[in-house]
Amino acid sequence: EAQVTQNPRYLITVTGKKLTVTCSQNMNHEYMSWYRQDPGLGLRQIYYSMNVEVTDKGDVPEGYKVSRKEKRNFPLILESPSPNQTSLYFCASSLRDGLNIQYFGAGTRLSVL
Amino acid sequence: AQKVTQAQTEISVVEKEDVTLDCVYETRDTTYYLFWYKQPPSGELVFLIRRNSFDEQNEISGRYSWNFQKSTSSFNFTITASQVVDSAVYFCALTRYNTDKLIFGTGTRLQVFP
Repeated sequence: EAQVTQNPRYLITVTGKKLTVTCSQNMNHEYMSWYRQDPGLGLRQIYYSMNVEVTDKGDVPEGYKVSRKEKRNFPLILESPSPNQTSLYFCASSLRDGLNIQYFGAGTRLSVL
Repeated sequence: AQKVTQAQTEISVVEKEDVTLDCVYETRDTTYYLFWYKQPPSGELVFLIRRNSFDEQNEISGRYSWNFQKSTSSFNFTITASQVVDSAVYFCALTRYNTDKLIFGTGTRLQVFP
């Protein structure tokens, strides 16, 4: 089944404790992206990757890191999480075929205490 | 700059009513793409439709229909004979030509009561 898989689905952590949210897609998509969803703000892009070893900042990259060592994986790293990073995170991927249709993972709900 | 506005924060209807979700966008590009995504209570985001800026034909898919009007920069979504399973948050989004970044509106929460 074609899908984007995020783990974990739920995470509670404390300020300053490094964490990684994994994202993997099995559709051989070139493009991958991370968004965060906050009430009243919709979804905003954090980072994106056009292909392996190619990443760039989105609209709200502060406090986040990403890497794209393999085509299928695009982990999101919070080196020192803070309470303002409490949010719902989505990973998405798409084929660079001109249709621009992104497919989303199920989301990761993160709480930073 | 690109922007998507969904002015309706929350809509409540009773089953079998028709409901229209509004979406207004801003862009200076001549080529762009518009999308609707559904976020049911389980939380995932489900792709519903994509429309490119050169195709103003309305689209119907079962009880769902979409009205794209470039003259008013709107891409509205109508659900006919709503059902409880339609209860969700619906997002309208925009991408520029040759990019994949989605610019989302703030979403409209639709509650359909039995």
